[in-house]
Amino acid sequence: QKEVEQNSGPLSVPEGAIASLNCTYSDRGSQSFFWYRQYSGKSPELIMSIYSNGDKEDGRFTAQLNKASQYVSLLIRDSQPSDSATYLCAVRSNDYKLSFGAGTTVTVRA
Amino acid sequence: DVKVTQSSRYLVKRTGEKVFLECVQDMDHENMFWYRQDPGLGLRLIYFSYDVKMKEKGDIPEGYSVSREKKERFSLILESASTNQTSMYLCASSLPGISNQPQHFGDGTRLSIL
Repeated sequence: QKEVEQNSGPLSVPEGAIASLNCTYSDRGSQSFFWYRQYSGKSPELIMSIYSNGDKEDGRFTAQLNKASQYVSLLIRDSQPSDSATYLCAVRSNDYKLSFGAGTTVTVRA
Repeated sequence: DVKVTQSSRYLVKRTGEKVFLECVQDMDHENMFWYRQDPGLGLRLIYFSYDVKMKEKGDIPEGYSVSREKKERFSLILESASTNQTSMYLCASSLPGISNQPQHFGDGTRLSIL
């Protein structure tokens, strides 16, 4: 069983819509959760981090964490073509290592 | 801003060669990591280091070794390159131990083994 699973893509949304990305993890002791954005041919770029249950908002991005259900999600509001990328969910289960999901590719249609 | 610099963006080597990938960070981070990224498989951890001269195996260490002689530099070594090591290699660094510190990535090295 994979440690971190993301909803399979690709996800295509019209410009201005909400893109919803989901991620589940297997280690109940996980403490820190991150969303990275990766443009094609580029390296991952941190866009959100969340550590406590509930919602965390940063501009058009909202991360949601539910530790009891072992899932974390990312909402992208008012999606723009520049949001077209692969989004990686990463979960930290100990002090050093991150476990990554395979990523969900988002395409925003103009 | 954190700056993680990988020595090469693209590299082509031949089967059996010894290959060195270099990574330098300028933020005095204790932790450094090497990943490879392959389509459909995501990022997989090869090795990490939490201090100078310290190293730990990740999930896929076979065929690789690492060196950390100075805090800012972490090298990945392919002892005898094989075609199945053709991949994107990503280096990352982070502050120590504190679980809410994110990892910051370099631009990656796309390595082709012919």
